[in-house]
Amino acid sequence: DSGVTQTPKHLITATGQRVTLRCSPRSGDLSVYWYQQSLDQGLQFLIQYYNGEERAKGNILERFSAQQFPDLHSELNLSSLELGDSALYFCASTVGLAETDTQYFGPGTRLTVL
Amino acid sequence: LAKTTQPISMDSYEGQEVNITCSHNNIATNDYITWYQQFPSQGPRFIIQGYKTKVTNEVASLFIPADRKSSTLSLPRVSLSDTAVYYCLVGTNYGGSQGNLIFGKGTKLSVKP
Repeated sequence: DSGVTQTPKHLITATGQRVTLRCSPRSGDLSVYWYQQSLDQGLQFLIQYYNGEERAKGNILERFSAQQFPDLHSELNLSSLELGDSALYFCASTVGLAETDTQYFGPGTRLTVL
Repeated sequence: LAKTTQPISMDSYEGQEVNITCSHNNIATNDYITWYQQFPSQGPRFIIQGYKTKVTNEVASLFIPADRKSSTLSLPRVSLSDTAVYYCLVGTNYGGSQGNLIFGKGTKLSVKP
């Protein structure tokens, strides 16, 4: 158990819909990262937050947005969903900002868009 | 930003030692090498991290030659449960951003009985 929690575990929805994925970081970690992993693909970095502020952006689509709340949990919002958005979405947390900090990953949310 | 190259896949048998090599020709002075392991449908987990020479923990060893342009993750006496994808990352301990870290597709290790 990494200490990072993600809800829901599974999500099935239809094209055009909007969903929210939730992540709670490890106790004491200030930084949260979101990744997308499609079938047989590597982890694609989406976005990073540190103590409530956006710190880095990857190849995140404009239809996707995220935020980190004062209690440090984070939400990833996916809107106007398309079939190609079906993937595993992982959240990770680190204590700080260094690239050498260990990332602790959550169990992921499996999103299926029908 | 140091790019890494590693084999797409490797096969092994139970009880063998497995060595997975990662190339990072433009590694910078402040860069460290980190390896993660990912089982199917699970998030990656940290295995080992090193800067130079050799690092060993209860799970694996990491060998880094003097020029640091490559590194080798060594898994002793693998078992079926070591079947996973292994990612090599290079990142700085000075500034930078974890958003710069590229997991890529990693190396898919298949251990057979």
